[in-house]
Amino acid sequence: NAGVTQTPKFQVLKTGQSMTLQCAQDMNHNSMYWYRQDPGMGLRLIYYSASEGTTDKGEVPNGYNVSRLNKREFSLRLESAAPSQTSVYFCASEGLLRDEQYFGPGTRLTVT
Amino acid sequence: DAKTTQPPSMDCAEGRAANLPCNHSTISGNEYVYWYRQIHSQGPQYIIHGLKNNETNEMASLIITEDRKSSTLILPHATLRDTAVYYCIVRVNQAGTALIFGKGTTLSVSS
Repeated sequence: NAGVTQTPKFQVLKTGQSMTLQCAQDMNHNSMYWYRQDPGMGLRLIYYSASEGTTDKGEVPNGYNVSRLNKREFSLRLESAAPSQTSVYFCASEGLLRDEQYFGPGTRLTVT
Repeated sequence: DAKTTQPPSMDCAEGRAANLPCNHSTISGNEYVYWYRQIHSQGPQYIIHGLKNNETNEMASLIITEDRKSSTLILPHATLRDTAVYYCIVRVNQAGTALIFGKGTTLSVSS
């Protein structure tokens, strides 16, 4: 099992460009999450999907959109990147027991 | 704001027990206590969680006070690889509920 995978690992964007961060899990989990982590800070929730076909906003959703493509995949899209979106983005998934969130390795995004 | 309070940093000698405290005085009856850690810039890693009873697994022990207002994570024999930021989180066990990360405790294990 690969667990939670994220692509790309690193990305540099110019202000105004768009991109999609990909996340996939092979654990048959229902819930998936997108977090961001700024330097010296804890993680903050951007969006989550409690089950296939549903998505909801988290603490910091502005400037982002998400798609739960199927049970395995949950993508995060930046339509018009801004320097304030420079961060490390983590995807996580969670099973029905809700006892443990499994995190991916992260995508390090820089917006210049 | 995070609903937990942790010391910003702690030191521990290799081979000794590391005891990491957490205060969660406003915890609700249906909230669990979770512990995660983050090594360097990797994704957070689950350690343990509990509601009111003490818990133990292969990584650590979790001691929750009877009034549930505080807890302690115990790493029984700390190694250099346990150097990380440790996060104490309270959370309702419900689908779609986020983990609210504070700043955690940076544990430094030295030889």
